Amino acid sequence: QKEVEQDPGPLSVPEGAIVSLNCTYSNSAFQYFMWYRQYSRKGPELLMYTYSSGNKEDGRFTAQVDKSSKYISLFIRDSQPSDSATYLCAMRSRMDSNYQLIWGAGTKLIIKP
Amino acid sequence: NAGVTQTPKFQVLKTGQSMTLQCAQDMNHEYMSWYRQDPGMGLRLIHYSVGAGITDQGEVPNGYNVSRSTTEDFPLRLLSAAPSQTSVYFCASTDRANYGYTFGSGTRLTVV
Repeated sequence: QKEVEQDPGPLSVPEGAIVSLNCTYSNSAFQYFMWYRQYSRKGPELLMYTYSSGNKEDGRFTAQVDKSSKYISLFIRDSQPSDSATYLCAMRSRMDSNYQLIWGAGTKLIIKP
Repeated sequence: NAGVTQTPKFQVLKTGQSMTLQCAQDMNHEYMSWYRQDPGMGLRLIHYSVGAGITDQGEVPNGYNVSRSTTEDFPLRLLSAAPSQTSVYFCASTDRANYGYTFGSGTRLTVV
């Protein structure tokens, strides 16, 4: 079993819908949680970062961490065709001194105009 | 613009050839890494470095070599290319002040 599980999709939704992307993990030492967005033929770019539990909001994006359930989510409100991309979750242990991130496989999101 | 620069963007190699993928960053990041990305496999760590002169293996190091003689540069060498090394390669960097990685734009490598 992988340390981080992420549904590969594709997830196809109409423009304007609320999108929910999720990852589950097994390592309770993970303390840093990130979401990256990767457009086709581009490198991943950091979208959201959360430390420990709770919510973080940035414009139309909200990142949520539930450590008790070992579950993280990314919500996209008022989704736009430009949000079509692959979204990767990544996590890091508080005990890791080598900056290592553990990655989900990525979920491909398609927003239909 | 500051960031991670990868060259070349595209490369076709014949089986058995060797080559070096270049990666340079101008953010004074101490950590640098190489990933390969294959369909359905996500990002897999090949090698990483936590500072000049220090390198270590990742998840899939076989067939690859790295060195880190300066903070800025972290080249990846393919010793004898195989078709299984056909992939998209990404270089990334970070430091203690950041939690996320900055990625390069990638090198698409095809081995025939």
